[in-house]
Amino acid sequence: GAVVSQHPSWVICKSGTSVKIECRSLDFQATTMFWYRQFPKQSLMLMATSNEGSKATYEQGVEKDKFLINHASLTLSTLTVTSAHPEDSSFYICSASSRVPRARLPRNTEAFFGQGTRLTVV
Amino acid sequence: AQKVTQAQTEISVVEKEDVTLDCVYETRDTTYYLFWYKQPPSGELVFLIRRNSFDEQNEISGRYSWNFQKSTSSFNFTITASQVVDSAVYFCALRSGSSNTGKLIFGQGTTLQVKP
Repeated sequence: GAVVSQHPSWVICKSGTSVKIECRSLDFQATTMFWYRQFPKQSLMLMATSNEGSKATYEQGVEKDKFLINHASLTLSTLTVTSAHPEDSSFYICSASSRVPRARLPRNTEAFFGQGTRLTVV
Repeated sequence: AQKVTQAQTEISVVEKEDVTLDCVYETRDTTYYLFWYKQPPSGELVFLIRRNSFDEQNEISGRYSWNFQKSTSSFNFTITASQVVDSAVYFCALRSGSSNTGKLIFGQGTTLQVKP
């Protein structure tokens, strides 16, 4: 089964509204979560890294006030796209990792990406 | 600087042909990990393999095989006797450092189309 669950899998919203995407680690505590964005026919680009209980670290060019990341617990991180615009339409995918020694992690822990969220802003 | 290059943007083959997807990486770290992921049209990333920098032994898993060569900084992926279900986008990725909490640097991806 999946070790990282992302919700929703797709969402359509109106321009100007905010959208929250959840990323949950199952069966293990995720000390670090990553948020990636993928535009059509392009690669995955890291947006930000979040460690539980601390502020997220954003990659250059990513607006932290627009993409709010909360990592309040070891099993949940959220990405909120605020005041979404059509250019924010993209595929957002999270991943989770842990400092627990790999031998103690669930099987296939390297398959640690969520299922992704396809956001369409109209 | 860390970088992953997948020079092949798109590859089209006929079913049962063998196909190799190239991956070249750059890193100054001596400890790093290399990955291959498959992304079908549904969008999710399917983990295929992880290889650490100290293990250059080639690996075979069914129809899949990987050739890791540090001398050329390459980590190529071969699918033998390709099938239509292999059609997807394939990403090579790099994670530098020994920690398993580091970020992944992805290549641009190679779209593989296998025709019946």
